[in-house]
Amino acid sequence: AQSVTQPDARVTVSEGASLQLRCKYSSSVTPYLFWYVQYPRQGLQLLLKYYSGDPVVQGVNGFEAEFSKSNSSFHLRKASVHWSDSAVYFCAVSMEGGADRLTFGKGTQLIIQP
Amino acid sequence: GPKVLQIPSHQIIDMGQMVTLNCDPVSNHLYFYWYKQILGQQMEFLVNFYNGKVMEKSKLFKDQFSVERPDGSYFTLKIQPTALEDSAVYFCASSFDGDSYEQYFGPGTRLTVL
Repeated sequence: AQSVTQPDARVTVSEGASLQLRCKYSSSVTPYLFWYVQYPRQGLQLLLKYYSGDPVVQGVNGFEAEFSKSNSSFHLRKASVHWSDSAVYFCAVSMEGGADRLTFGKGTQLIIQP
Repeated sequence: GPKVLQIPSHQIIDMGQMVTLNCDPVSNHLYFYWYKQILGQQMEFLVNFYNGKVMEKSKLFKDQFSVERPDGSYFTLKIQPTALEDSAVYFCASSFDGDSYEQYFGPGTRLTVL
């Protein structure tokens, strides 16, 4: 069975600084990988996804993530954060990427300091 | 973007009572999902549903749980009877418009069982 670990429950970053949110997965095969964001009182929104090919994938709002098979990781990055990026970020995996279940990490709460 | 709605946003009931959580999925989507999140823990898959049938369910989907989507209306999760450990936030998702399998999530229903 697959699992996802987000080691940082909370990350605090100054506005304009760069950001990295960590995600590691455990799976017998390379899964499909996702990052979702959840703003207060809203549903999860997909930021980006990785299926194959270039290990660096671009998402919405300047986010990108890099897949590393050797490290079983899929870290999320942003070059310069904005106060509106404050939210909870979830890393997730699925085995087939179709109608398959998503397995989530516990989430990382991102706090942006002025 | 496409939106999934969930009704109600918060439900408080006494243990042993029945509760129905309602989800209004994206109109042309074909797959439907329920996930459960206990405070401070991962969001976990409960069940997915396609063409009027449960496709896959997790060990969290107890015998007291049932899902249906009669005549293309709300996709519902019914719990009968409820137990204290059913207290959680329940997220509905839908996917697949014939092109993309991206899962779109609702804002969740917070269920409190007393």
